[in-house]
Amino acid sequence: RKEVEQDPGPFNVPEGATVAFNCTYSNSASQSFFWYRQDCRKEPKLLMSVYSSGNEDGRFTAQLNRASQYISLLIRDSKLSDSATYLCVVSSSASKIIFGSGTRLSIRP
Amino acid sequence: SQTIHQWPATLVQPVGSPLSLECTVEGTSNPNLYWYRQAAGRGLQLLFYSVGIGQISSEVPQNLSASRPQDRQFILSSKKLLLSDSGFYLCAWSSSGRGFDTEAFFGQGTRLTVV
Repeated sequence: RKEVEQDPGPFNVPEGATVAFNCTYSNSASQSFFWYRQDCRKEPKLLMSVYSSGNEDGRFTAQLNRASQYISLLIRDSKLSDSATYLCVVSSSASKIIFGSGTRLSIRP
Repeated sequence: SQTIHQWPATLVQPVGSPLSLECTVEGTSNPNLYWYRQAAGRGLQLLFYSVGIGQISSEVPQNLSASRPQDRQFILSSKKLLLSDSGFYLCAWSSSGRGFDTEAFFGQGTRLTVV
């Protein structure tokens, strides 16, 4: 079983739609959680950290369920510029940072 | 501010040739350092990580090795490249020390093509 699993997509949604990504992780000792965004042929960049209480940054909302070992990302009012691959990231207590395989999102006009 | 340098940006190497990719971090001390590889259309595979000088954890046994000769320098090497070593190699750093890790910050990557 992979340490971090994501639905690879692709998700193809119209501009203005709401889209949700899910991610599960296998190591119950994991301590830090993040969502990254990766544009084609570029390095990944941090989108947002994920906190136990859930957190929001503009149109983006991240949630963590430690009991179910599940992380989610919600994008509201999607824009064309949101088209990218979204990577779920989990860090263990041993400083090992594992990336999910990513979910491709394509926003159509 | 912290910066991470990775070079070269692109590299074309023949099968059987050696490889050395270097990554350096500035503006921080005792960072955690990482090497990832991304095959075309795939996710990031963690290859090696290091929490201190001379401490290397290997995640995937393969044709590569890593070394950390200085606090802020991380080197990825191979003695003989295989075609399957082609990919996008990314170096990253994170900081630790408060009981949890910060996010990983990436270099711009090296696109390696083995021919």
